[in-house]
Amino acid sequence: KAGVTQTPRYLIKTRGQQVTLSCSPISGHRSVSWYQQTPGQGLQFLFEYFSETQRNKGNFPGRFSGRQFSNSRSEMNVSTLELGDSALYLCASSLGRGGETQYFGPGTRLLVL
Amino acid sequence: TQLLEQSPQFLSIQEGENLTVYCNSSSVFSSLQWYRQEPGEGPVLLVTVVTGGEVKKLKRLTFQFGDARKDSSLHITAAQPGDTGLYLCAGARGYNNNDMRFGAGTRLTVKP
Repeated sequence: KAGVTQTPRYLIKTRGQQVTLSCSPISGHRSVSWYQQTPGQGLQFLFEYFSETQRNKGNFPGRFSGRQFSNSRSEMNVSTLELGDSALYLCASSLGRGGETQYFGPGTRLLVL
Repeated sequence: TQLLEQSPQFLSIQEGENLTVYCNSSSVFSSLQWYRQEPGEGPVLLVTVVTGGEVKKLKRLTFQFGDARKDSSLHITAAQPGDTGLYLCAGARGYNNNDMRFGAGTRLTVKP
């Protein structure tokens, strides 16, 4: 079956703009988690959605938000972009019952100028 | 500071050599996972260890979880160029593995 897909794969924005990233989980998976990966900080957990509800949240400012739709697809939004938001944004899906494997997508590389 | 400290950060070795990378923390995890990530792709899960003292083998890779469930190691025997990549450890903070804390990674290069 198809893996986790993320769109777009690459994105260039300027400071102050906002951006929306999309993640389609593996069919049947109800949990989607988002991570930010940078060379300096590594992979950092943003938030997790399960059944359209945010279930866990990392330590990111309120400019970072997300949502999940009834078909389990998820979007992440970053408002008022800053240079430091340049990163690879990864989403991962799982069944969501706890204790099972997360499968990562290829990521969206965001560059903020 | 990282919740999980990985060492070394970078490792460059010749094909056929053995190596060990480490993942240490002062926190206890319910489980710990190792991933490998290649350029342009997301991390791919290699193994999950759950029990303190557990040892798992995956072909030439041996994973160990510390007795206190705070640290782990990954040993690769007779490394091959195909082992090149970023190796990440991640700890689960509770029952739900979907809130993972990652180390910064060890970037391994295996030269032919």
